[in-house]
Amino acid sequence: DSGVTQTPKHLITATGQRVTLRCSPRSGDLSVYWYQQSLDQGLQFLIQYYNGEERAKGNILERFSAQQFPDLHSELNLSSLELGDSALYFCASSTGPTSTDTQYFGPGTRLTVL
Amino acid sequence: GQSLEQPSEVTAVEGAIVQINCTYQTSGFYGLSWYQQHDGGAPTFLSYNALDGLEETGRFSSFLSRSDSYGYLLLQELQMKDSASYFCAVRDNYGQNFVFGPGTRLSVLP
Repeated sequence: DSGVTQTPKHLITATGQRVTLRCSPRSGDLSVYWYQQSLDQGLQFLIQYYNGEERAKGNILERFSAQQFPDLHSELNLSSLELGDSALYFCASSTGPTSTDTQYFGPGTRLTVL
Repeated sequence: GQSLEQPSEVTAVEGAIVQINCTYQTSGFYGLSWYQQHDGGAPTFLSYNALDGLEETGRFSSFLSRSDSYGYLLLQELQMKDSASYFCAVRDNYGQNFVFGPGTRLSVLP
């Protein structure tokens, strides 16, 4: 158990809908990262927040957005969902903002878009 | 652009040593990380190399050569539980983007 929690574990929805994935980092960690893992695209970095501020941005679609709240939990919002958005979404947390910090991954949310 | 290459599959027997290679092409480089992921599980951090040379952590070691844009993960005294996918990852674009390799599936046979 990494100490990172993600809800829900599974989510099934329809195309065109909007969903929110939630992540609580390990106690004391200030950075939160979001990743998407699908069979054809592998593990893709989406976005990083550090202490409430956006720190780094990867291949995140405009239909997706995220934020980190004052209590440091984070939410990833996915809108206008398409079949291709079906994937495992992981959240990870680390102590600091840099690449030298070990990232601890949550168990993931499996999103299925029908 | 940025890309990482890893072998897709590696097979070895219990007790053996296996090396998983990773070559990368990135704009900017902020270190090479390795992650392990069991089927149905989340990635777990194994090691990080920012400078050239070998880093050892128990049965696992990781090596980096920045001049060759190359690194490897060395797993010794293989155990059945080491059967998993292994990903290398770099942070590029001056710290703006993590890029993961396609992963190497390691199968450890009895």
